[in-house]
Amino acid sequence: DSGVTQTPKHLITATGQRVTLRCSPRSGDLSVYWYQQSLDQGLQFLIQYYNGEERAKGNILERFSAQQFPDLHSELNLSSLELGDSALYFCASSVEAGVHGELFFGEGSRLTVL
Amino acid sequence: QQQVKQSPQSLIVQKGGISIINCAYENTAFDYFPWYQQFPGKGPALLIAIRPDVSEKKEGRFTISFNKSAKQFSLHIMDSQPGDSATYFCAAGLNTGFQKLVFGTGTRLLVSP
Repeated sequence: DSGVTQTPKHLITATGQRVTLRCSPRSGDLSVYWYQQSLDQGLQFLIQYYNGEERAKGNILERFSAQQFPDLHSELNLSSLELGDSALYFCASSVEAGVHGELFFGEGSRLTVL
Repeated sequence: QQQVKQSPQSLIVQKGGISIINCAYENTAFDYFPWYQQFPGKGPALLIAIRPDVSEKKEGRFTISFNKSAKQFSLHIMDSQPGDSATYFCAAGLNTGFQKLVFGTGTRLLVSP
């Protein structure tokens, strides 16, 4: 158990809809990262938050947004969903922003868009 | 410049054999090379990592070999066990932050009993 909690584990929705994925980082970790894993693809970095503030953006679509709350949990909002958004979405956390620690991943939220 | 190419896509090894997974990167600025292990239904977990100041790092049955001039690194699993059956991802990035990590596409390893 990595200590990173993601909900929901599975989500099925229709095109055009909006969903919210939630992540609770490991206790004490200030940095939260969101990744997308599509079929036969590696993990694609979406966005990073550090202590409530956006730190870095990767290949995140404009239809997607995220935030990190004062209690350090994070939410990833996906809107105007398309079939191609079907993927595993992982949240990861680390103590700080650099690589001096370790990146801990949650078990992911599997999104299916029909 | 940001790609990390991983091969093979899948691998079947007999119990007790050596599993070898290779990765190649393009960005010469990368200075952090981790390998992650992912079991079905679980998130990736750090297995072993290397920085470019050494050519090899060993932890138990797992060894990373690093060739800076060729921009390649590989994972060797000695005495492979059925419990090693998982998907393995290599990654390359910058020491300044995990957000710079670029992941390979993964290798699905099956160790047959």
